[in-house]
Amino acid sequence: DARVTQTPRDKVTEMGQEVTMRCQPILGHNTVFWYRQTMMQGLELLAYFRNRAPLDDSGMPKDRFSAEMPDATLATLKIQPSEPRDSAVYFCASGFGSLTEAFFGQGTRLTVV
Amino acid sequence: DQQVKQNSPSLSVQEGRISILNCDYTNSMFDYFLWYKKYPAEGPTFLISISSIKDKNEDGRFTVFLNKSAKHLSLHIVPSQPGDSAVYFCAASASNYQLIWGAGTKLIIKP
Repeated sequence: DARVTQTPRDKVTEMGQEVTMRCQPILGHNTVFWYRQTMMQGLELLAYFRNRAPLDDSGMPKDRFSAEMPDATLATLKIQPSEPRDSAVYFCASGFGSLTEAFFGQGTRLTVV
Repeated sequence: DQQVKQNSPSLSVQEGRISILNCDYTNSMFDYFLWYKKYPAEGPTFLISISSIKDKNEDGRFTVFLNKSAKHLSLHIVPSQPGDSAVYFCAASASNYQLIWGAGTKLIIKP
């Protein structure tokens, strides 16, 4: 049963700490997305990769967020330093190159106190 | 500036009746529209989509209608079932560029 796997599921951290979220896309998928869901904004695209190359990270606050794909089986989203306003659910999704019909992971719920 | 709007945060419908979820958009360049369904503690899952060259797409109990002149689309679920209780997101893209998402509508199906 192929699925996108995200770790950790929940993360509580103190303001100023570094947070790293990990995603294992579905094997064979060549497109990976990072989304953030907040109560007010719904889902917003932070970054996406095609064939491991970053295509668009314009939705990401550059000063503190970074996204990478060290290899085809791992995508990471890092926040340093974290702030309370970063509290949200972060979703990773993967697909076959289309922006549509992506398969989502279960998300990482981040709480920054 | 929200390009995709779902103005109803929640909707309650009796089991067996029709559920109608609405979505409005402002960008006339959008040419592909999707509905995703999300259960608590899970990621969204793709439900149904429609291209701007069509005005209707049907898949079982789910039908999406697109009114381009009004920049409005709706998702109809008939008949509604308890398992349909979830948050429904509308999303749109222009020329297969990034998806723009609405804030979601929570659908509650009452027994």
